Amino acid sequence: AQSVTQPDIHITVSEGASLELRCNYSYGATPYLFWYVQSPGQGLQLLLKYFSGDTLVQGIKGFEAEFKRSQSSFNLRKPSVHWSDAAEYFCAVDRDNDMRFGAGTRLTVKP
Amino acid sequence: KAGVTQTPRYLIKTRGQQVTLSCSPISGHRSVSWYQQTPGQGLQFLFEYFSETQRNKGNFPGRFSGRQFSNSRSEMNVSTLELGDSALYLCASSPDPGTYEQYFGPGTRLTVT
Repeated sequence: AQSVTQPDIHITVSEGASLELRCNYSYGATPYLFWYVQSPGQGLQLLLKYFSGDTLVQGIKGFEAEFKRSQSSFNLRKPSVHWSDAAEYFCAVDRDNDMRFGAGTRLTVKP
Repeated sequence: KAGVTQTPRYLIKTRGQQVTLSCSPISGHRSVSWYQQTPGQGLQFLFEYFSETQRNKGNFPGRFSGRQFSNSRSEMNVSTLELGDSALYLCASSPDPGTYEQYFGPGTRLTVT
């Protein structure tokens, strides 16, 4: 069955530290891949997307993600986290106009 | 350019009632999608509209319906509300279907008592 997995429900990092949020998918073929961020009381904002080509994708707010076909993964990274990055992050996949979201990873940033 | 607006932002209804939620997409966007977000089920796709036609539908009962008007504004309706319908309902707009550039509104928080 098609699925999107974000293994980490909650991650805490110190401000200035690096961040990696994991996302794995299970699809017959490579879907389109997305990362969204949701701040409290807000809708979702698209951070970046991958359709094809270069497997390292740059997004907004200093985020990047790497697509690894062999691992069916699309992990989100940021070299230095800011307090304003505290939010919930969702990985999403779309195959044949069927958009599915992961359960989300809540990021807490320690001062 | 104004973002996606959803009204109302908060709503409290009683079980068995019906509710209508409204979404105004970004100017020039013609595709509108609706999602339900709950702590237990996460984000789930409800339906997508383009040119006043439903293009795609998620796995929800017939109590959930929607429509789109000629100005691309969209409404979704839930009839015979159940406690489990309590959720954040998000609307997203995009220029056209398949562009995968979805812009989300702040959502409508529906509480069913």
